Amino acid sequence: SQQGEEDPQALSIQEGENATMNCSYKTSINNLQWYRQNSGRGLVHLILIRSNEREKHSGRLRVTLDTSKKSSSLLITASRAADTASYFCATVYNFNKFYFGSGTKLNVKP
Amino acid sequence: DTAVSQTPKYLVTQMGNDKSIKCEQNLGHDTMYWYKQDSKKFLKIMFSYNNKELIINETVPNRFSPKSPDKAHLNLHINSLELGDSAVYFCASSRETSHNLNYEQYFGPGTRLTVT
Repeated sequence: SQQGEEDPQALSIQEGENATMNCSYKTSINNLQWYRQNSGRGLVHLILIRSNEREKHSGRLRVTLDTSKKSSSLLITASRAADTASYFCATVYNFNKFYFGSGTKLNVKP
Repeated sequence: DTAVSQTPKYLVTQMGNDKSIKCEQNLGHDTMYWYKQDSKKFLKIMFSYNNKELIINETVPNRFSPKSPDKAHLNLHINSLELGDSAVYFCASSRETSHNLNYEQYFGPGTRLTVT
């Protein structure tokens, strides 16, 4: 399966701590995208990283991509209660194949 | 203004019925998608349309038929509903201009379908 797999499945931290989520995949990708889903809502795009990029930042978010290990990580620094959500990675390969992982459920305790 | 909207938000119906879910985007995007999210939160792409042309059609029962009257709308028709069709269905759009997937997607709020 090409589907990205997130790790851990669930993560609970205190406000102010950093949260790290990982995504692994099986075949070469064109790009990898991270999305957030709040309970009962649609997905919101966070960051897209292309296969020739190694790191991208957006505010408190940092995404890394290691194509040799076929893995990506999403780091949320100085987490807030509002960051509580499920986080999904999505991989694009063969340019038009698109698969989501099963997500990491993040709980940030105030 | 809502970028990607779906109606209805909730849909409860009986097995065997036919139903439709509507999706509209006001982002000027050329490509729209339908996804199904199951009870375990796994999200699977069903269809993708680029400028009214079907470009992705994953293994989906032919009871599901997308219809795109124009590039701002992609509706999903489901015939002979089954219990297993119960899920949350999300519409999305992106600014892809080709069959490649190079850009982020913008999602609607979802339609929770319950088949009894």
